[in-house]
Amino acid sequence: AQKVTQAQTEISVVEKEDVTLDCVYETRDTTYYLFWYKQPPSGELVFLIRRNSFDEQNEISGRYSWNFQKSTSSFNFTITASQVVDSAVYFCALSAGRQAAGNKLTFGGGTRVLVKP
Amino acid sequence: DTGVSQDPRHKITKRGQNVTFRCDPISEHNRLYWYRQTLGQGPEFLTYFQNEAQLEKSRLLSDRFSAERPKGSFSTLEIQRTEQGDSAMYLCASSPQTLQGRNNEQFFGPGTRLTVL
Repeated sequence: AQKVTQAQTEISVVEKEDVTLDCVYETRDTTYYLFWYKQPPSGELVFLIRRNSFDEQNEISGRYSWNFQKSTSSFNFTITASQVVDSAVYFCALSAGRQAAGNKLTFGGGTRVLVKP
Repeated sequence: DTGVSQDPRHKITKRGQNVTFRCDPISEHNRLYWYRQTLGQGPEFLTYFQNEAQLEKSRLLSDRFSAERPKGSFSTLEIQRTEQGDSAMYLCASSPQTLQGRNNEQFFGPGTRLTVL
């Protein structure tokens, strides 16, 4: 079974501050993928980033960066220089197993980010 | 608009009534997923289709729930004899079939919010 835990339920920052969201996952599969999705007040989930279990290289994409550490089963996500439009609920998700598993996503409980002007 | 669409966006019904939701995936995507999201929680997987075949169903999907994708294009999710506990946001997502083992991200629709009185 897979499990994703997002211990932070809500984070409040002032615009231009950096925000780091924690994600810890559990799976017995050696092949898996990790995702971050954003759910703004409108409700539609928006894909942000994906990382597979074979690539621990951390990357930066615009104002987003992530830190994937298999040793601690963590996949943390950082928004640099936050903006009011970043206010949303952010979900970490896991998809594990072979392709035949259907790639269903197991989501964490989400972290609400509030960026104040 | 070439994204995932869902209809209706909101549905209010009385306990015991049947409801049906529709999802139109992105046209070239052969995988279609249904998730349920209750207030303050992350989405939970319900079922998934590859083309017209329903390949996996969650234990969350009681016998009152049925999903179809008759021609491998749009899908319907029906809930019979609705209960107040069925009140939730029902999300549909689609993705292309994975290529070379790549676990492609899922693209989500805006959801159908169900309220059972």
